[in-house]
Amino acid sequence: DTEVTQTPKHLVMGMTNKKSLKCEQHMGHRAMYWYKQKAKKPPELMFVYSYEKLSINESVPSRFSPECPNSSLLNLHLHALQPEDSALYLCASSQAISGQGNYGYTFGSGTRLTVV
Amino acid sequence: QQQVKQSPQSLIVQKGGIPIINCAYENTAFDYFPWYQQFPGKGPALLIAIRPDVSEKKEGRFTISFNKSAKQFSLHIMDSQPGDSATYFCAAREFGNQFYFGTGTSLTVIP
Repeated sequence: DTEVTQTPKHLVMGMTNKKSLKCEQHMGHRAMYWYKQKAKKPPELMFVYSYEKLSINESVPSRFSPECPNSSLLNLHLHALQPEDSALYLCASSQAISGQGNYGYTFGSGTRLTVV
Repeated sequence: QQQVKQSPQSLIVQKGGIPIINCAYENTAFDYFPWYQQFPGKGPALLIAIRPDVSEKKEGRFTISFNKSAKQFSLHIMDSQPGDSATYFCAAREFGNQFYFGTGTSLTVIP
């Protein structure tokens, strides 16, 4: 299995809703990432988990809450989002975040989030 | 501050042409340079990557040229096809740290 699977593919939520995005990989990768991507822009890093511990939080607002229940799963809990948070949310994984080696990312297809 | 500068922003070529996308960087600590291809509605997919001790790498129709002294690298797509129409991102990674992406190039290959 060489994929990162993200669910749901599309999500429409109101500003008072609570929802969660899910990401799963079975490649034995020990680093997992959440990225946000606006149209025609590069992905922007939000969070990095390494060996199931949060290692980087790129000053993301608290209305986004990541969780890594185990080495294969990554969740992003959403609460009280704003319309400007509408974007493609991408999950990625890599063998590790440090050390030698070619640690390219494997990205999922993303969740297209619309906040109304 | 944009760590990796990418050009052009968009590119249109005829089928069979050789589009070239360029990236430049300043941080000499970068040690790994991948290129990603992204189709609409999909996540980026790793296309090809190079390390700074190599000047060129080919994989199929895709070639990376790397100029360490100039701190530049570029992607060449040989015999381009309409199916290559996508957005391409270069990236760079500093040892032990995150990737920094270029701003992206939208490529259109006309049949």
